[in-house]
Amino acid sequence: TQLLEQSPQFLSIQEGENLTVYCNSSSVFSSLQWYRQEPGEGPVLLVTVVTGGEVKKLKRLTFQFGDARKDSSLHITAAQPGDTGLYLCAGDALVGSARQLTFGSGTQLTVLP
Amino acid sequence: DTEVTQTPKHLVMGMTNKKSLKCEQHMGHRAMYWYKQKAKKPPELMFVYSYEKLSINESVPSRFSPECPNSSLLNLHLHALQPEDSALYLCASSQERVFNEQFFGPGTRLTVL
Repeated sequence: TQLLEQSPQFLSIQEGENLTVYCNSSSVFSSLQWYRQEPGEGPVLLVTVVTGGEVKKLKRLTFQFGDARKDSSLHITAAQPGDTGLYLCAGDALVGSARQLTFGSGTQLTVLP
Repeated sequence: DTEVTQTPKHLVMGMTNKKSLKCEQHMGHRAMYWYKQKAKKPPELMFVYSYEKLSINESVPSRFSPECPNSSLLNLHLHALQPEDSALYLCASSQERVFNEQFFGPGTRLTVL
């Protein structure tokens, strides 16, 4: 069974602060994705990282894939209340004949104005 | 069209009722998924359909019965549910080619009385 551990589980910060969310596994994934989910909605894909050591930026969000493709991090600079939500990492792997995402436990981020 | 639609948005049912959840996508995706999500938790995979065939069933109780009438539609038939089955049910689809990036619908909020 492939597991993804995500930390921290909960994070409450003031607007303007920086934060980092970590996603760790003992398994290698072909790719790793980050999603954000707002209350009452489905998760929305933010980014996919594929290559070990890869860094991708999406405005104030920076995503990094570990060299061994087992871990990833999400860094948010100058957080804003609109960043509030549940952040989920997900590793992609082939299970039997179908591709399957393994989700991390999630980080509930609250950015206070 | 990059949208996954789900109906109904909300559903309240008794333990003896039979109901169905519906999911539709017109992105030409060949893989479709059902997830169950409890509050503040990550989505839990229930079923995977790949090319309209059930390829993964994650030991889900038989009171949940999936159906894939065609490549654009996915149903989840519900019968004799328990109160602990109350959750957000998410449908997703993906091209499943390279990165398995999944597009999620908004979900059906199910309450079992």
